[in-house]
Amino acid sequence: DVKVTQSSRYLVKRTGEKVFLECVQDMDHENMFWYRQDPGLGLRLIYFSYDVKMKEKGDIPEGYSVSREKKERFSLILESASTNQTSMYLCASSITGPSSYQETQYFGPGTRLLVL
Amino acid sequence: AQSVTQLDSQVPVFEEAPVELRCNYSSSVSVYLFWYVQYPNQGLQLLLKYLSGSTLVKGINGFEAEFNKSQTSFHLRKPSVHISDTAEYFCAVDSSYKLIFGSGTRLLVRP
Repeated sequence: DVKVTQSSRYLVKRTGEKVFLECVQDMDHENMFWYRQDPGLGLRLIYFSYDVKMKEKGDIPEGYSVSREKKERFSLILESASTNQTSMYLCASSITGPSSYQETQYFGPGTRLLVL
Repeated sequence: AQSVTQLDSQVPVFEEAPVELRCNYSSSVSVYLFWYVQYPNQGLQLLLKYLSGSTLVKGINGFEAEFNKSQTSFHLRKPSVHISDTAEYFCAVDSSYKLIFGSGTRLLVRP
């Protein structure tokens, strides 16, 4: 079974702190994604990566950055946390299908971040 | 750009009753559609997906969905729900290496 793990289930940080969220997948997937999930808004894509050291902005990249130094690990960084970044953060990974369509994304359990 | 609309934010239903969760997408030349489920305090997992072929797609846990190109819909159905089906359900469409998700529908199954 594919396994996607996230470093923390719950995290409490203070405004202005630098925050690192780590995600690791064990299935050699090329693609990795970071989403935030907020009530009534569904999942919104922050950043994704289709290869090591490659990254693409998603729909809401402002205030975030990412790092992918190894294929299995994709980190989300909040350079200076703010209260409006309080949310559930979900990581996912996938392979790319033969016609470039999106294969199934496998999700981690999520990190619930509270910024005070 | 692709978009997905889930008009129902919450659907209450009694146990063993049928249920339909609605999903509409913006039209495109080709479209790949997905339904994911999120149980409380968990990540999302795939229920089913439509890539091509038969418009009726069967998924896990007795769910199925029908792709309707003329109505740009991909509604999810189950003939008889269980308490354990209580969860949030997300419809999604593929859009160039990304998935665009709807806002989700919370299914509440009551005894």
